[in-house]
Amino acid sequence: AQSVTQPDIHITVSEGASLELRCNYSYGATPYLFWYVQSPGQGLQLLLKYFSGDTLVQGIKGFEAEFKRSQSSFNLRKPSVHWSDAAEYFCAVGYSGGGADGLTFGKGTHLIIQP
Amino acid sequence: EAQVTQNPRYLITVTGKKLTVTCSQNMNHEYMSWYRQDPGLGLRQIYYSMNVEVTDKGDVPEGYKVSRKEKRNFPLILESPSPNQTSLYFCASSFSGGALSYEQYFGPGTRLTVT
Repeated sequence: AQSVTQPDIHITVSEGASLELRCNYSYGATPYLFWYVQSPGQGLQLLLKYFSGDTLVQGIKGFEAEFKRSQSSFNLRKPSVHWSDAAEYFCAVGYSGGGADGLTFGKGTHLIIQP
Repeated sequence: EAQVTQNPRYLITVTGKKLTVTCSQNMNHEYMSWYRQDPGLGLRQIYYSMNVEVTDKGDVPEGYKVSRKEKRNFPLILESPSPNQTSLYFCASSFSGGALSYEQYFGPGTRLTVT
């Protein structure tokens, strides 16, 4: 079965510091990879996605992620975090064969920003 | 504006009292899904639908029903809610076919409390 692991339940980062959130997925052919963000009391917003091609993808709000097939990883990065980045971040994966059954989500990483 | 809407946004009910959470999308998407979000568990899919009158179980379907009589609507029905169904529920939709079918557009969420 598909699975997504986000090893860090909580991460605390100082404002202005760099950020990396980890995501690993179970082996599968041609994964489609996503990062979503959920701000407090809000719904889910798509940050970025990887379908194919260039393994470094740019998203909204200054985020980027790199797909590494050899490590089954899709880590999210930001060079300098802002207090408004405090939120819950979810990595998600879908496998080719049809998207009707949606995505498999990780359990999320809660990002805390220290002033 | 392209969107997925859910109603109600907040609901407190008692055990055993049937309820329906509505979901509607205006993007002419074929695929629709329901997820529940619980702390430490991420998002888990309840049911999905590939088109009108075509639905299937997701990962956690017990205690839920769905119907898809119109393309734009995908209501979630709890015929006899129990306290373990207290959760945050998200409806999502996507295009059919190819990689884009995996990109989920989420509604704002419905917070359900069953006492």
